[in-house]
Amino acid sequence: DTAVSQTPKYLVTQMGNDKSIKCEQNLGHDTMYWYKQDSKKFLKIMFSYNNKELIINETVPNRFSPKSPDKAHLNLHINSLELGDSAVYFCASSRLSTLAGANEQFFGPGTRLTVL
Amino acid sequence: AQTVTQSQPEMSVQEAETVTLSCTYDTSENNYYLFWYKQPPSRQMILVIRQEAYKQQNATENRFSVNFQKAAKSFSLKISDSQLGDTAMYFCAFMKLGGNKLVFGAGTILRVKS
Repeated sequence: DTAVSQTPKYLVTQMGNDKSIKCEQNLGHDTMYWYKQDSKKFLKIMFSYNNKELIINETVPNRFSPKSPDKAHLNLHINSLELGDSAVYFCASSRLSTLAGANEQFFGPGTRLTVL
Repeated sequence: AQTVTQSQPEMSVQEAETVTLSCTYDTSENNYYLFWYKQPPSRQMILVIRQEAYKQQNATENRFSVNFQKAAKSFSLKISDSQLGDTAMYFCAFMKLGGNKLVFGAGTILRVKS
C-alpha cells in the first residue's frame, strides 16, 4: 500500500552512462514532481507534471529528461551522467495546488544516485 | 524569487525539553503557504505542519507548533516534550498561492539526547 514509490532506491553507475529512475503514485494525484537533494542536503525542485503536461521546468541540464506516460507515473532519464549528478532524487505527488489553496506533497523514499 | 533561510545548521535538545527551530523567508507575495518537513535518517520526507499566510492563528499539531510572524517574515517551529524519534533534519519550505513549487531552506539537523 505504498503511496509514492521509486525504483531503484540505490543506483551506482559510471560517468557517461545513461540511467532512468522510475516513480509511481497510487494516491490518485494529478501532479508529480522531481526534486534533487545534493550532498549538502539542499533540496531543489527540478520538474513538475500535471496530467502528463510539464508545468515546472527549472534550470536543469537537458541531459535530464522527465517522462510522464500517465498521471500515476513520472520517470526521470539522465543521459551522459556526470560526477556532479550524484545526489538523492525524490519523487513527490499531490493534487494540483491552485489559487484556491495549496495541497500537501507526498514524497517517495528517494533514490541515491552515485556516479563514479 | 523566493528564498528561505534556516540559520541554525545544527541544534540539540535533551529529551522531554522544548526546542525552537528558526526560519525566515523573503517574498513579495502576499498569499502563500509555509511548511515544516522532517527528514529522519531513513531519508523519508514527512510533512510536520503547515501554515496559511492569511491565517493569523499559529498552526499546531500535537507537540509541534509554529510562531508565524508575517511582517517579520519569520516562521519558527517549536517542538515540545522532545522525543528521541524527533531526531532528524528539519526543512522549512515556502509555496506561493497558486504555485506548485516548494522552495526549501538549507535544513537544520536536530539531535535529541537521552
